[in-house]
Amino acid sequence: NAGVTQTPKFRVLKTGQSMTLLCAQDMNHEYMYWYRQDPGMGLRLIHYSVGEGTTAKGEVPDGYNVSRLKKQNFLLGLESAAPSQTSVYFCASRPVGDSGNTIYFGEGSWLTVV
Amino acid sequence: LAKTTQPISMDSYEGQEVNITCSHNNIATNDYITWYQQFPSQGPRFIIQGYKTKVTNEVASLFIPADRKSSTLSLPRVSLSDTAVYYCLVGSLGQGFSFIFGKGTRLLVKP
Repeated sequence: NAGVTQTPKFRVLKTGQSMTLLCAQDMNHEYMYWYRQDPGMGLRLIHYSVGEGTTAKGEVPDGYNVSRLKKQNFLLGLESAAPSQTSVYFCASRPVGDSGNTIYFGEGSWLTVV
Repeated sequence: LAKTTQPISMDSYEGQEVNITCSHNNIATNDYITWYQQFPSQGPRFIIQGYKTKVTNEVASLFIPADRKSSTLSLPRVSLSDTAVYYCLVGSLGQGFSFIFGKGTRLLVKP
């Protein structure tokens, strides 16, 4: 089972460049999330989606955009990368009908902005 | 979502039992308590979840007192491979869809 898959796993960007991180889940989950994690820090929620065609802002949304055109995919875009966006990005998904907090994470995407 | 407070770090030795306590004073009636484990360079993974009293699985136990204002994750007989960051998450779908993690507890297991 693939679960939650993120691409690419590693990327180096120059300041001002743009890029898109792709998250794909094959578990038919309704809810999807993008987090960032800086060295030695906890996870911070960037954006999330409660269903196809819907997105919402999390704790640290500035500088990022997201889209959920298909239920299984959640894209995170950086329009003009900045060094402060150097981080590890984790995508996650959650099943509908689960009243608890069971969230499934991808393996992460390492982004360096120089 | 209920705010959680955990110790920043803990040290232990192989074979010992480790208890990590999470405080969540403003937990809501519908909230569940969930713990995640994160190894370096990996995404967090679900360990255990509970609502009240005690829950046990093959990895850990979760103790929740009657007032539910705190919870304790218990790892029996830890090994070096249990060195990780442990996150306590309190909330429920009924509270909203954005799940916010704290900084977690860094557990270091020594030989």
